[in-house]
Amino acid sequence: SSELTQDPAVSVALGQTVRITCQGDSLRTFYVSWYQQRPGQAPMLVMYDKNDRPSGIPDRFSGSTSGNTASLTITGAQAEDEADYYCNSRDSSGNHVIFGGGTKLTVL
Amino acid sequence: QVQLRESGPGLVKTSETLSLTCSVSGASISRYFWHWIRRPPGKGLEWIGHIYYSEGSIKYNPALKSRVTMSVDTSKNQVSLNLRSLTAEDTAVYYCAKWDGYCANGVCYHWFDSWGQGTLVHVSS
Repeated sequence: SSELTQDPAVSVALGQTVRITCQGDSLRTFYVSWYQQRPGQAPMLVMYDKNDRPSGIPDRFSGSTSGNTASLTITGAQAEDEADYYCNSRDSSGNHVIFGGGTKLTVL
Repeated sequence: QVQLRESGPGLVKTSETLSLTCSVSGASISRYFWHWIRRPPGKGLEWIGHIYYSEGSIKYNPALKSRVTMSVDTSKNQVSLNLRSLTAEDTAVYYCAKWDGYCANGVCYHWFDSWGQGTLVHVSS
């Protein structure tokens, strides 16, 4: 498969926990990375490798993968976490990069 | 600190060719994978392709392959994108991005650790 599937939109109450998921057959073989994109800004890496956060990304962000599903969890969501989130990996051949369709996170 | 900056025309006509340049500072253009990615208005991120100068590796999105060419100018530390036969569907913010990562035990891990600010390209007749 050459697709990564994400829920188009998810909402979370301020301070609560939210999980954003990404499904795709290629995730059984290739690792996923996650990007946050706020309006008018470039995407920003928030999770990569097995479960690593770049410097400056709060530890309320965590990641996991099980089978063909990867998850980005925000524990104690803040207003500034409201953004679009994209998962990223490779297609099943490994030759091409693919993105999920993106999840719009709303913090209520 | 790695910095990427995209440049090019903000408006191009349908059927013409788009030429964009990504100027890189803080990293050698010949040492990493460099990608072009775009985001059409109201849609998600779409990978266009990558180039890895050291190994002569170039890969394109199959959906765009017939219209895309990427190249590197090592003397200027720049990566270029040409996209031919433009239509309104090519209207998007175009980003260049750097891939970082490693391979271990036959498995490779890569991620986009640096992005340009993006450049908006509008295609219109």
